[in-house]
Amino acid sequence: EVQLVESEGGLVQPGGSLRLSCAASGFTFSGYWMYWVRQAPGGGLVWLSRIKTDGSSTTYADSVKGRFTVSRDNAKNRLYLQMNSLRAEDTALYYCARGPHYSNYPFPADYWGQGTLVTVSS
Amino acid sequence: DIQMTQSPSSLSASVGDRVTITCRASQGISNYLAWYQQKPGKVPKLLIYAASTLRSGVPSRFSGSGSGTDFTLAISSLQPEDVATYYCQNYNSAPLTFGGGTKVEIK
Repeated sequence: EVQLVESEGGLVQPGGSLRLSCAASGFTFSGYWMYWVRQAPGGGLVWLSRIKTDGSSTTYADSVKGRFTVSRDNAKNRLYLQMNSLRAEDTALYYCARGPHYSNYPFPADYWGQGTLVTVSS
Repeated sequence: DIQMTQSPSSLSASVGDRVTITCRASQGISNYLAWYQQKPGKVPKLLIYAASTLRSGVPSRFSGSGSGTDFTLAISSLQPEDVATYYCQNYNSAPLTFGGGTKVEIK
């Protein structure tokens, strides 16, 4: 069974940093691209970033480019999102999601974690 | 960047009605269009990919069509369990933008 479990988010002050992780199981993690998506309270889905199977390619939404960094550790089956210079508007539920297998690109997010809430406030 | 525009933003229909939601891309995206369903308080669920391919396990009352810039999600006979917000997404050309969502309610 495919499972994606995000680490606990939390309350962060504006300008602060937080690293989210996502533990993957039930599939060959190293064979899949991975995504981060967020959803502000009462808002819609916003795609944030993607990372290639081996971590050699990353892409970001303009809203987080230069502040957020996605990475992965295939040996540990973990995906990460380092978030710096956090702003109030980054307050959201953050989801990790499985992207396409390297042999079936492109493909949308077919499995999602339960999400972790990040609140940016003083 | 490609913008995805959904309409309507919300709709209310009776059980058994046919419901359609449209999604327009600001540039052609071939058929790299996905539809997701998010029920209240739940995680988004992939319904359709490649514009018209139903994911395994998704009820056949859901269907998708379109190519290029104009796409449609249809529910042939609305059921109470279909109450949700539906999102389209361009999943090929980064940024992989979502539409703004369409909230579907029962009248």
